[in-house]
Amino acid sequence: AQRVTQPEKLLSVFKGAPVELKCNYSYSGSPELFWYVQYSRQRLQLLLRHISRESIKGFTADLNKGETSFHLKKPFAQEEDSAMYYCALSGGRDNYGQNFVFGPGTRLSVLP
Amino acid sequence: GAVVSQHPSRVICKSGTSVKIECRSLDFQATTMFWYRQFPKQSLMLMATSNEGSKATYEQGVEKDKFLINHASLTLSTLTVTSAHPEDSSFYICSARRTGTYEQYFGPGTRLTVT
Repeated sequence: AQRVTQPEKLLSVFKGAPVELKCNYSYSGSPELFWYVQYSRQRLQLLLRHISRESIKGFTADLNKGETSFHLKKPFAQEEDSAMYYCALSGGRDNYGQNFVFGPGTRLSVLP
Repeated sequence: GAVVSQHPSRVICKSGTSVKIECRSLDFQATTMFWYRQFPKQSLMLMATSNEGSKATYEQGVEKDKFLINHASLTLSTLTVTSAHPEDSSFYICSARRTGTYEQYFGPGTRLTVT
């Protein structure tokens, strides 16, 4: 069964400090991993996905299949990064849809 | 582009009544839409996957006769909560997957309160 864990409910860092949001998963096949972000009073939006290997807003995430992890990192946190971050996994189930599983989320608070 | 709307944003209904929530992709076609439920301070829980022109696929533990899903067009999916009870009170979020891509775009959510 698919499962996504995010061990930290809340992570507080000071502005300019590095930040790492942890995500571990369990899945028997080849997963697709995503990070979604939800800023205060806004809808959930895609931050990045592992297959594109891109950097968005200074965030990067590398899929480590050996450790089954997809940690989100940013070298210098900004106050506007404060938000709820969800790691998500997709394992294709059929020709139509994707079976998305979200982790419990980590609230990042960047202190001035 | 890629905007998803939900209507209504908030609804209050009495126990025993039914409530319909609409999810629309405004500027793209979505073969697949997803319905999630989110309890306070908890993560999103996938309820069902809605495929245009066919029956929805429900996750384990989700009653398909209680949560009726219709995906009649490439831009509209509806979730009807039938015979609502107070325990159905929750935040319901839909997302739409642009046809031919893997990305999901989320609606703003609908807060349902059953009194």
